[in-house]
Amino acid sequence: GQQVMQIPQYQHVQEGEDFTTYCNSSTTLSNIQWYKQRPGGHPVFLIQLVKSGEVKKQKRLTFQFGEAKKNSSLHITATQTTDVGTYFCAASFSGGYNKLIFGAGTRLAVHP
Amino acid sequence: NAGVTQTPKFQVLKTGQSMTLQCAQDMNHNSMYWYRQDPGMGLRLIYYSASEGTTDKGEVPNGYNVSRLNKREFSLRLESAAPSQTSVYFCASSAVGSYGYTFGSGTRLTVV
Repeated sequence: GQQVMQIPQYQHVQEGEDFTTYCNSSTTLSNIQWYKQRPGGHPVFLIQLVKSGEVKKQKRLTFQFGEAKKNSSLHITATQTTDVGTYFCAASFSGGYNKLIFGAGTRLAVHP
Repeated sequence: NAGVTQTPKFQVLKTGQSMTLQCAQDMNHNSMYWYRQDPGMGLRLIYYSASEGTTDKGEVPNGYNVSRLNKREFSLRLESAAPSQTSVYFCASSAVGSYGYTFGSGTRLTVV
């Protein structure tokens, strides 16, 4: 079935270090979205990528969509304690109604 | 704006009991969704409603039913609760297709 693999499952960093999480699919994606969930909270939409090779930035966050539209990454530069949470990619597959399938998420811990 | 409102926030059920989780959105969104979140498994789609009057199965529909009561409301029913349905349930909505879901704050359900 349609699924999205996300790695790593956990990442512990020192404040100031960089962080990257990756999502991969075996089939072409229509688009991919990224969400952040703080501990005890609900997922919050960050961004959507639609075009092949697309790169978008939000302050210290950089989002990329692969040329083949089968993979994506989220990179955080110089992490801060406010970045703590779980980051999810969510993919919409080509054909049919564009419902989202979520990756398992990457939990980020930032040590001051 | 309230966004997406879910009730109740917490619930404990005995095996075999039934209950309905309520969800309402005030953003005039066409599409609504029910997800469950279990540790290490991300969010899995239970049912969705692309528009008022339509509902479709997601990844894990067994043991659940849904009703799109009107454009604002989308309820999830457990007819005979099982311990495997212990989870956090999130309702979400979106304006068009899969773009930028808005999530409710979730319902923590425990089945004993």
